[in-house]
Amino acid sequence: ETGVTQTPRHLVMGMTNKKSLKCEQHLGHNAMYWYKQSAKKPLELMFVYSLEERVENNSVPSRFSPECPNSSHLFLHLHTLQPEDSALYLCASSQGLRVGGANVLTFGAGSRLTVL
Amino acid sequence: GDSVTQMEGPVTLSEEAFLTINCTYTATGYPSLFWYVQYPGEGLQLLLKATKADDKGSNKGFEATYRKETTSFHLEKGSVQVSDSAVYFCALSRRDSNYQLIWGAGTKLIIKP
Repeated sequence: ETGVTQTPRHLVMGMTNKKSLKCEQHLGHNAMYWYKQSAKKPLELMFVYSLEERVENNSVPSRFSPECPNSSHLFLHLHTLQPEDSALYLCASSQGLRVGGANVLTFGAGSRLTVL
Repeated sequence: GDSVTQMEGPVTLSEEAFLTINCTYTATGYPSLFWYVQYPGEGLQLLLKATKADDKGSNKGFEATYRKETTSFHLEKGSVQVSDSAVYFCALSRRDSNYQLIWGAGTKLIIKP
């Protein structure tokens, strides 16, 4: 496979469940990202992992927990979510965090999460 | 702080019409500017970019010119096709913020045959 692959594509979970989203990139990139996409809102950066550092958006609730075991894999662990967490979760990768003025991101197709 | 403002959608056009999607930004210094496109059921992909003032990015018949005097990066296409129906996102990044992307809210484009 090439590019950025996300699984599952669709997930329905109850508020007491624990689930995980997976992302894998085959591009040799050194930075990976989790974004939340909600209708009619700008993309919200949740977490960034790179060789240089980990960046967190401090407004992201602790019920979202990222894990990056290596430069090719990124997980988002979900625990006791709320209905307002229903959204499309996008994974992306790039060459790095500081590669100059055109840090281009490559996105996966997203995981559509519905919290009941 | 930095911000990006796009025209609200949806924008509905007939095939072969001329397209403009407005994008303006607020940022200090000299940001890089981007247009990403999201086709139905897919993730975002880079459409074009410009890294300095007066640069023109172009791809697939789309163009956008980096206008520092008006802080704008409007997306244009001379003749749209049904296959251009998608959501278009304008974004910027700056060195001082570690090149993290600041996104507009997106503009949905609907092209009718």
